[in-house]
Amino acid sequence: AQSVAQPEDQVNVAEGNPLTVKCTYSVSGNPYLFWYVQYPNRGLQFLLKYITGDNLVKGSYGFEAEFNKSQTSFHLKKPSALVSDSALYFCAVRDMAAGNTPLVFGKGTRLSVIA
Amino acid sequence: NAGVTQTPKFQVLKTGQSMTLQCAQDMNHEYMSWYRQDPGMGLRLIHYSVGAGITDQGEVPNGYNVSRSTTEDFPLRLLSAAPSQTSVYFCASSDWGQGNYGYTFGSGTRLTVV
Repeated sequence: AQSVAQPEDQVNVAEGNPLTVKCTYSVSGNPYLFWYVQYPNRGLQFLLKYITGDNLVKGSYGFEAEFNKSQTSFHLKKPSALVSDSALYFCAVRDMAAGNTPLVFGKGTRLSVIA
Repeated sequence: NAGVTQTPKFQVLKTGQSMTLQCAQDMNHEYMSWYRQDPGMGLRLIHYSVGAGITDQGEVPNGYNVSRSTTEDFPLRLLSAAPSQTSVYFCASSDWGQGNYGYTFGSGTRLTVV
């Protein structure tokens, strides 16, 4: 079975500081990994994905994530946080070996960037 | 604009009433799904479809029915609404056939059952 964990419900960071939102996963095969962001009263928006290739993935709005197979992690990072980055972030995984199965989402991490 | 369209955006139901949440996409995506979002629970999969005429249950299917008669539409039916179904519902689609496993989400339907 595939699963994903976001160990922090809430992350607080000062504007201008680097931010990290953590994600770990469990799959039997190789993973497809995704990050989505949800602003208040909106649907989820795609940020970035890892399918194959370079372990460092760059996405929208200056975000990036590093795939670490040995630690089964896919942490979301940004060098300098903005107040406008405050939102709910979801990590998602799909097992390449599982055929046509849906993405499994984490419970979400609320990021608060303080001016 | 291309994307996933959900209607209505807001709905209040009385316990026992029925209704259909509509979802339509114009991207010719073969995969569509319904999630509900509750505080502290993240996104939980209700039903999904890998193509017209094919549907399957997700993590929390009880109390919900779906059908997929066309590629474009994937309605979610609540047969007898219960307060436990108060939630925000999201529809999502994906183009698995082209190797794109990411989802495009609708803007959601906020449902309150009283």
